[in-house]
Amino acid sequence: GAGVSQSPSNKVTEKGKDVELRCDPISGHTALYWYRQSLGQGLEFLIYFQGNSAPDKSGLPSDRFSAERTGGSVSTLTIQRTQQEDSAVYLCASSSYRATDTQYFGPGTRLTVL
Amino acid sequence: AQTVTQSQPEMSVQEAETVTLSCTYDTSESDYYLFWYKQPPSRQMILVIRQEAYKQQNATENRFSVNFQKAAKSFSLKISDSQLGDAAMYFCAYRPNTGNQFYFGTGTSLTVIP
Repeated sequence: GAGVSQSPSNKVTEKGKDVELRCDPISGHTALYWYRQSLGQGLEFLIYFQGNSAPDKSGLPSDRFSAERTGGSVSTLTIQRTQQEDSAVYLCASSSYRATDTQYFGPGTRLTVL
Repeated sequence: AQTVTQSQPEMSVQEAETVTLSCTYDTSESDYYLFWYKQPPSRQMILVIRQEAYKQQNATENRFSVNFQKAAKSFSLKISDSQLGDAAMYFCAYRPNTGNQFYFGTGTSLTVIP
């Protein structure tokens, strides 16, 4: 596809379970971002990948959150031992190396922790 | 600290009229980028307009234009001839020229009244 895709679209889980959220960036885009959007809030930066460089993890809220990016393309955000406060929309964005100032967003994954 | 403030949680406009959404930001950087994103109920964040801080000319994209006041650190969005499809959440965002992070405001919900 031409755009950023994310799966699943919606995820409902029970408190204490682990979840994995997937992001497929635009082909050829070297930069990839994860954001969290809580109800009524703006976007909170979580993590940034650029090519083969070490990721910028400065936005991850706790050690329960981790992310990886395999082969410089697909990324997975993992939340371990989910808590109710983790309920939010998780957005992924990608940008090209030559235009890192412009992000293209996916449709997000709505996570609900019961 | 780099912050983005949108002081209008909700705005409404009559169809075909003009509306201005406010955004202020705080930074000590001299070179940076500013953005307005639109997020309809589908959750897909769409780039509306971008401004490079070193350019004094205000950016325009069809019915969308900005009023960029660098000294005042203000970046408002004007939507002319408002259409029903403009109804959405609008987010102002900032990115320094150095660094990876984008900083988002908390958004303004725009309603277009037919």
